[in-house]
Amino acid sequence: DQQVKQNSPSLSVQEGRISILNCDYTNSMFDYFLWYKKYPAEGPTFLISISSIKDKNEDGRFTVFLNKSAKHLSLHIVPSQPGDSAVYFCAASPLNTGKLIFGQGTTLQVKP
Amino acid sequence: NAGVTQTPKFQVLKTGQSMTLQCAQDMNHEYMSWYRQDPGMGLRLIHYSVGAGITDQGEVPNGYNVSRSTTEDFPLRLLSAAPSQTSVYFCASSYGKPTGELFFGEGSRLTVL
Repeated sequence: DQQVKQNSPSLSVQEGRISILNCDYTNSMFDYFLWYKKYPAEGPTFLISISSIKDKNEDGRFTVFLNKSAKHLSLHIVPSQPGDSAVYFCAASPLNTGKLIFGQGTTLQVKP
Repeated sequence: NAGVTQTPKFQVLKTGQSMTLQCAQDMNHEYMSWYRQDPGMGLRLIHYSVGAGITDQGEVPNGYNVSRSTTEDFPLRLLSAAPSQTSVYFCASSYGKPTGELFFGEGSRLTVL
C-alpha cells in the first residue's frame, strides 16, 4: 500500500513559468515532509522540507505547501529553469520512527 | 569529502548467488538506510539503522540482511539472489532521524539473471 503518492509521472513546463509538483499521503502520523531531486546516474539530493506544524516553507525559487486536512503537499518552482529538469521525489517521515517513505517520483522537464 | 560511498557500482549475479553491497560514510552520521529504486515504484526503504548495533526493517525487507557493527559502515547482504532483486540500490545517511537532509550515495546497479 503506497503511503506517499505522486500521481503525475511527468510534467513539462516552459522556462520561466511555474512548476507545480503534487504529492498525497495517507498516514496521518507523518510529521515531516521533504522533497528530493534526482538527476540520472546520481543519488537523490535534498531540496526542501516542511514540518507538520507549518503550512509553508520557502527557499529561494522553491516553496513547499502543506495542507494537512487534505493530506496533500506541493512543491512550487518559480521561475523554472532548464537545470531544474530532473525526477522529483516527495518523502514523509512518521512521528517517532526512523523511516523515510518516498513517493514514486515525478519527472519534470523544463523546456528552453 | 567522500560522503556516502557505495561499492560496487555495477554487479551481475546469477539466481541463488549471494553478495554484499557495501556502504560507508565518513560524516559520523548516526542514521543509515538502504533503498531500492525500480521504475514506477520510486524509492522503497529496505532496512535502516538509527545507530551502531541497531537495525530495523523498512517497507521491503524480505531477501535482505543488514548489520551495523560500526557507525561508518552499513552493508546490505543478499543471501540468495532472485531476479526480482534486480534494481538500483541506494545507501543514505543523516546525522539524526531523517527529518533533515539525507545524504545519498551514487547507487549500485544490480542485475540478477
